[in-house]
Amino acid sequence: GESVGLHLPTLSVQEGDNSIINCAYSNSASDYFIWYKQESGKGPQFIIDIRSNMDKRQGQRVTVLLNKTVKHLSLQIAATQPGDSAVYFCAEKGGGADGLTFGKGTHLIIQP
Amino acid sequence: GAGVSQSPSNKVTEKGKDVELRCDPISGHTALYWYRQSLGQGLEFLIYFQGNSAPDKSGLPSDRFSAERTGGSVSTLTIQRTQQEDSAVYLCASSLGARGVFSYNSPLHFGNGTRLTVT
Repeated sequence: GESVGLHLPTLSVQEGDNSIINCAYSNSASDYFIWYKQESGKGPQFIIDIRSNMDKRQGQRVTVLLNKTVKHLSLQIAATQPGDSAVYFCAEKGGGADGLTFGKGTHLIIQP
Repeated sequence: GAGVSQSPSNKVTEKGKDVELRCDPISGHTALYWYRQSLGQGLEFLIYFQGNSAPDKSGLPSDRFSAERTGGSVSTLTIQRTQQEDSAVYLCASSLGARGVFSYNSPLHFGNGTRLTVT
């Protein structure tokens, strides 16, 4: 989910379990969405994207789900591994030539 | 290089000094963005360059901030008379297409950022 203030929402999962990270977006005209992963000391790294004419897209161990009715985006990570520990950001692109608007991120912690 | 390169990776400066942050985008990428990331926050858009067009400076927080992009490639973000609230990670990103034009699996590519600390 999205955070308020300085504290990121945190999701703690056991290694090997599936993770679901949620994101609410605000612009009903947004037509493209991206998930980024940011490890400590690094820039955001692209994970997966989806256009608004789809409601599901799968990658390697990751699935993005888009529910335009409630303006909700989620990232599912299968069989979570220690290397998945990071902050995950969703981003939306408004219609036309709008740029990307980023959420504040969710901190995923993997418990051994 | 293979990715977006930023320098320096870390910069500590005294309040009131000027700083310059550098970004080398991916070769061939026409669009270049600067973002600011404060601790525990999302990415705040600062400025956007597209080819030889006039940049979109709408995100710059004050007139102490400026940026240029020479020859459609390397970009420099300058912060004059730095303040403590300028402390943040400054991220540069580039993309192939113009703003709002993203191909699947080829959106913005980010550098690792410059961590700026103003003391």
